[in-house]
Amino acid sequence: GENVEQHPSTLSVQEGDSAVIKCTYSDSASNYFPWYKQELGKGPQLIIDIRSNVGEKKDQRIAVTLNKTAKHFSLHITETQPEDSAVYFCAASKGGSQGNLIFGKGTKLSVKP
Amino acid sequence: DSGVTQTPKHLITATGQRVTLRCSPRSGDLSVYWYQQSLDQGLQFLIQYYNGEERAKGNILERFSAQQFPDLHSELNLSSLELGDSALYFCASSPGVSTNEKLFFGSGTQLSVL
Repeated sequence: GENVEQHPSTLSVQEGDSAVIKCTYSDSASNYFPWYKQELGKGPQLIIDIRSNVGEKKDQRIAVTLNKTAKHFSLHITETQPEDSAVYFCAASKGGSQGNLIFGKGTKLSVKP
Repeated sequence: DSGVTQTPKHLITATGQRVTLRCSPRSGDLSVYWYQQSLDQGLQFLIQYYNGEERAKGNILERFSAQQFPDLHSELNLSSLELGDSALYFCASSPGVSTNEKLFFGSGTQLSVL
């Protein structure tokens, strides 16, 4: 089945710096790659997603890139702010009615003011 | 607020016991997913129901079972509990059957097995 690996497990940056989180997936049939943000005491919340027919997607300070050949995708956060501090999860799915959404193990991002 | 409601928020029980976790999906969502979150395993997919029927199974133990009722709420039953079952259990919902769409997560049920 699908396996998603995520790195790094922890990331500490200064406010205003950029943060990059990387994920690789194993199933070449996967075609949907969302990123979720989990704040303390809350459930994960979708922040951005990308589909396999697109190489890059941006939403304000957040961007995601996808390399289907290498089977990896990355989350880029620019101009980080203290409120970006959270655990970020990447995930992969091949969709349809039987594809499971498989998550990476998460990256704890700390943004120091 | 995601619109997904999970009860109870916290549950403390003993080994060997049985518990039921409840989830009410967002209004209009037909799919309900259950995930287990532990420190060392991350978010593990357990099971998905769509409009009352089981659609996909993940790493769900035989001691665990789930169902989705006609009003679309779902329950996750955990029996013969072991210490290792202590975790945060999340329910998520989505409008359709495909996993290629946004999932809305509840705030979770923290299960502690003593």
